[in-house]
Formats: sequence, C-alpha cells, structure tokens
Amino acid sequence: SQQGEEDPQALSIQEGENATMNCSYKTSINNLQWYRQNSGRGLVHLILIRSNEREKHSGRLRVTLDTSKKSSSLLITASRAADTASYFCATDDIGGGADGLTFGKGTHLIIQP
Amino acid sequence: DVKVTQSSRYLVKRTGEKVFLECVQDMDHENMFWYRQDPGLGLRLIYFSYDVKMKEKGDIPEGYSVSREKKERFSLILESASTNQTSMYLCASSPNLGEQFFGPGTRLTVL
Repeated sequence: SQQGEEDPQALSIQEGENATMNCSYKTSINNLQWYRQNSGRGLVHLILIRSNEREKHSGRLRVTLDTSKKSSSLLITASRAADTASYFCATDDIGGGADGLTFGKGTHLIIQP
Repeated sequence: DVKVTQSSRYLVKRTGEKVFLECVQDMDHENMFWYRQDPGLGLRLIYFSYDVKMKEKGDIPEGYSVSREKKERFSLILESASTNQTSMYLCASSPNLGEQFFGPGTRLTVL
C-alpha cells in the first residue's frame, strides 16, 4: 500500500531558485529515502536519512526528517535545468518485513531556464 | 557501480500472450524487486525475492508470477497478458533492504 505522499504533486520554478518538496508517511520507519526519476527512466537513489537523524546534506540536497510529525522535506538549492525530474520519497517501515520500501506518488519538478 | 539491466526498453504484446520480463544485476545482491509504475499511482510492488528460489507477493501480484533460479536474475512473467497490464515495469535490487538500485525500466504495451 502507498504510504509516502509527496506534496506538491507538481512544482515549476526558475533556474537558480530553491525547490522544496515534502513527504508525509503513516507508520514508524527505519529510514526514509529520496529518489529521482528522469522522464521514462529508472529511479536513482539520492539520499537516505535514518529515523534517529534530523537533517542530512549531500551536495545541493538537504533532507530533513521529523518523526513526530511523520514528515520529511527535500530541498534542492540553486536549481538547474538538469534537476527537472520526478522526485519520490520511500520509507523502510518498521515491521514491514522483507518487502523493501514503500513509495509515494512523486513530485514532478520543472526547472524553467 | 551497481548495474541493473532489463531485457527490453519497449515491448508490445497482444492480449493473451505470455510475456517474460528479465532483470539482471551484477552486484551479488540478495534482494530483488519488481514494480509497476502508472500515472497517478506511483510505484507499486508486484513481487520480491530475498534469495534464490524464494519469492514473496507484493501489493499487486495478481496476473503475475516470478522466477529466481540464479541470484543475479529475477524474471517477471505475465501468464496471459491483458490490456490493464500496460505499464512501465521497473526492476530493482538491494543488498540490505535499504537503498535500492533500479534498472532503466520496460515500457510494456498490451494491445
């Protein structure tokens, strides 16, 4: 079943601006991950944040996790045209067994040149 | 780098045909997954496998079966393709049930 829900569903910004996407989930998790998907391609792992972490950085990416609110945000700073893609959050649920991750429906990000 | 390959990028089949989608990973991962992706529905897990000859149903296994005879290969089988199985199919592998590594996807159209 779908757990992660990204918000907004679509986002269009100018190149150079920052883009923020949010993810909410429903159950307790071991970790939360963000993936990027370019049009018609497979998903690429961006960053993983564990349940005992609050913030994590990787290059122009900043992820926050608030387990009390069951939410996460992905910030992309100084956006580039190449950042145009769909972004998915995925949770590794506690007690979810060996069935891997639960993905949200994604945020489609468009960077206008 | 981990590489996950899928046998076809695009596939067109007729209703009732038996369809095989192949996935191969080269990093000795124990866990492999098949998802389908549809607009507005995100990724939905069809089947997964955590070892050779082991398989578990995901959220939407109906109409599908899988085979894992070798560690590096995980096949998805549509026994009798139907038009509602037109979709993008994504294979993934994972060493530790954390980060997953995805293949490029197979866009299947059933006529």
